Amino acid sequence: DAGVIQSPRHEVTEMGQEVTLRCKPISGHDYLFWYRQTMMRGLELLIYFNNNVPIDDSGMPEDRFSAKMPNASFSTLKIQPSEPRDSAVYFCASSLRGQGWDEQFFGPGTRLTVL
Amino acid sequence: AQKVTQAQTEISVVEKEDVTLDCVYETRDTTYYLFWYKQPPSGELVFLIRRNSFDEQNEISGRYSWNFQKSTSSFNFTITASQVVDSAVYFCALSELYNTDKLIFGTGTRLQVFP
Repeated sequence: DAGVIQSPRHEVTEMGQEVTLRCKPISGHDYLFWYRQTMMRGLELLIYFNNNVPIDDSGMPEDRFSAKMPNASFSTLKIQPSEPRDSAVYFCASSLRGQGWDEQFFGPGTRLTVL
Repeated sequence: AQKVTQAQTEISVVEKEDVTLDCVYETRDTTYYLFWYKQPPSGELVFLIRRNSFDEQNEISGRYSWNFQKSTSSFNFTITASQVVDSAVYFCALSELYNTDKLIFGTGTRLQVFP
């Protein structure tokens, strides 16, 4: 399997622009997670989906952030408008069943820089 | 509430030294799972091991070993005869079976192995 695929790997944008991050989970995995990693806050869970349905979005920092999963093989995380403090590495991860036992497989991350 | 503490922010060793990374966790559940992930300089997160709360048997995998002690709520990770390729950030994480599917990460320990 190709593993979790994320695009783009790097994104540089200007404040106020819309940013869309993309993720393709491992085929057959029911759960998909979006994380953000910064030096200040470490790894934070933003939102996760089960069978394409958002289960918990309590980690989404503001209304500027939104995530969708239109089908089992694709998810997007959108920031509109972007701000410099959104600069971080965004990871997508997937797991087979999502129960506590299941390991999460992480994508390579998208490094976002907002100028 | 769940919490994972990795008190060691950064550790530096010389190749062939043994090194132990500490992880202390907090949970109210009796069923939970502990994980270690490695984040090498390339950025992706790589799963290393998981342990459930009912299995306190220590585990060894090559130069890696893990010591799980419920009495002290610790899940420490030891690298024997460290190598330069072990240089990475190591994260300890916790999930609870009946508390959603969230993985709570510690802040990570950066290990630098010098030749």
